[in-house]
Amino acid sequence: GQNIDQPTEMTATEGAIVQINCTYQTSGFNGLFWYQQHAGEAPTFLSYNVLDGLEEKGRFSSFLSRSKGYSYLLLKELQMKDSASYLCAVRFYSGAGSYQLTFGKGTKLSVIP
Amino acid sequence: GAVVSQHPSWVICKSGTSVKIECRSLDFQATTMFWYRQFPKQSLMLMATSNEGSKATYEQGVEKDKFLINHASLTLSTLTVTSAHPEDSSFYICSAFRDPYEQYFGPGTRLTVT
Repeated sequence: GQNIDQPTEMTATEGAIVQINCTYQTSGFNGLFWYQQHAGEAPTFLSYNVLDGLEEKGRFSSFLSRSKGYSYLLLKELQMKDSASYLCAVRFYSGAGSYQLTFGKGTKLSVIP
Repeated sequence: GAVVSQHPSWVICKSGTSVKIECRSLDFQATTMFWYRQFPKQSLMLMATSNEGSKATYEQGVEKDKFLINHASLTLSTLTVTSAHPEDSSFYICSAFRDPYEQYFGPGTRLTVT
């Protein structure tokens, strides 16, 4: 089966840096995704890692260690609009040429002035 | 711009009626689409994988006779909630991979059953 853990809630200050961790256990691993979801809206894609290392995309960076089953999302220069839920999702091979995503429960980030 | 659309964005229906939700890939063909359900303050739960030209694959615990999925073309999948009940009220989201690395979600459909 698939198991993904991430903290339920975090609070950080505007302008600061915050790191959201995600650990996973899965078979047939084929990549790890981070999504941002504002309340009442669908998730939007932030980043994708399939190889070990750091992927940087503007204020957002994502890191993956496959051997440790660990990833983190780093948000720099936090803005109030970054207040949202951040979902860690693992893609795995489900057989017959198909892939699926399993989502963690999400980390609700609150950015305070 | 949006690459996956859903219609309607919200719907209110009476208990016992059926509701159809459409999911379209706008500028690409999707042989596979995914349907998720999200209850308030919870994460997305995969309901089923919709396969063009064949039967959908349902996750454990999802009633295939209640949630009918039809993937009749490479750009359209539909989810029909049959004989809806208040406990079916939720946020339904579809998605598709435009390329192997990015999965795009539709804007979601909020269903309220009264």
